[in-house]
Amino acid sequence: GAGVSQTPSNKVTEKGKYVELRCDPISGHTALYWYRQSLGQGPEFLIYFQGTGAADDSGLPNDRFFAVRPEGSVSTLKIQRTERGDSAVYLCASSLGGRKNNEQFFGPGTRLTVL
Amino acid sequence: GDSVTQMEGPVTLSEEAFLTINCTYTATGYPSLFWYVQYPGEGLQLLLKATKADDKGSNKGFEATYRKETTSFHLEKGSVQVSDSAVYFCARNQAGTALIFGKGTTLSVSS
Repeated sequence: GAGVSQTPSNKVTEKGKYVELRCDPISGHTALYWYRQSLGQGPEFLIYFQGTGAADDSGLPNDRFFAVRPEGSVSTLKIQRTERGDSAVYLCASSLGGRKNNEQFFGPGTRLTVL
Repeated sequence: GDSVTQMEGPVTLSEEAFLTINCTYTATGYPSLFWYVQYPGEGLQLLLKATKADDKGSNKGFEATYRKETTSFHLEKGSVQVSDSAVYFCARNQAGTALIFGKGTTLSVSS
């Protein structure tokens, strides 16, 4: 079956611009996670959805970052007024959800470069 | 706060050598523990996991045992192959919450 997909695979933008990154989770997975991975580091948590609602957004670095999941499937991570420090690989993962179904499956990531 | 610490790399080994990558964690409660692997040019893949103390996760010849008394989850393989060259991440979570990752350890195996 299809895994987690993310588009675009690469995004180059200029400082100050707005970007949207899309994640398509595995069908039937109710939990969706966004992470950010900087060069030489492990992924860092940004936000977690259970269904349509953000269950935990404590990892969002500031109010320029926002994410939605309006129908409980596809999610979009939105970054306003991008800065050079936002350059990283943005990873999406999904899981079946629940206390016992916590294995997360990762997408290939979107590499964001802010010039 | 809760964290994961893993040994820094890179780790360079010859084929058929024994591998250990150390990982320790801090956490309240009883987290699930994971090893993820990232092969060159590919996404993160789950390698193995353990959900409670003394559980041993294993896959592709790799093993790790959940040691509550030492808060460790060290990754081992008895005989590495060139194809094992990748970045390995130790991680923990609790009951469906976000994963907390270590910084990753790069393994390079030469023939």
